[in-house]
Amino acid sequence: NAGVTQTPKFQVLKTGQSMTLQCAQDMNHNSMYWYRQDPGMGLRLIYYSASEGTTDKGEVPNGYNVSRLNKREFSLRLESAAPSQTSVYFCASSEETFGGSGSYNEQFFGPGTRLTVL
Amino acid sequence: RKEVEQDPGPFNVPEGATVAFNCTYSNSASQSFFWYRQDCRKEPKLLMSVYSSGNEDGRFTAQLNRASQYISLLIRDSKLSDSATYLCVVRYTGGFKTIFGAGTRLFVKA
Repeated sequence: NAGVTQTPKFQVLKTGQSMTLQCAQDMNHNSMYWYRQDPGMGLRLIYYSASEGTTDKGEVPNGYNVSRLNKREFSLRLESAAPSQTSVYFCASSEETFGGSGSYNEQFFGPGTRLTVL
Repeated sequence: RKEVEQDPGPFNVPEGATVAFNCTYSNSASQSFFWYRQDCRKEPKLLMSVYSSGNEDGRFTAQLNRASQYISLLIRDSKLSDSATYLCVVRYTGGFKTIFGAGTRLFVKA
């Protein structure tokens, strides 16, 4: 099992260019997430997909769009890249389990995409 | 104020030392708590969940104090391989909103 895979690993864009970050998981998880990680900020949730066919905004969705193509794949699109979107992007997946006192799911992360916008 | 706050460190400790990290959260609707570990330029990985009664996994002990809204991680008998950034993670009731702390860096020296 590869777990969670992301492509590309590195990308340099010019301001205004567009690109799509790809993510796939082979663990049959229902839920998938996109985060960005900036120095001193921790990971921040951009978008998530609770199940195939649904997507919802996270904490920092502006400037991004997502597509849950099928159960395995969840892509993140930057329509017009800006320098403020320079970051490390992580995709994650989880199998949500809910018990009497909440969920104790583990999120599995991909290796990340390092994006620089000039 | 950040929703989840951690001391960024770095903590520099010798091998064999005991080290503790604290994390505070501001939203009382927080329901699930975790510690993740992140090595330099790698993805985060789950270290352990934090249960209300506290829990232990080998050299690692996690505690939750809901009244004071903080969680802690204790590492005993530190190893060189424990050097990493430790992320405090809080999950809100009834949804998928997950908040990560900025992390605490730990360096264990020989």
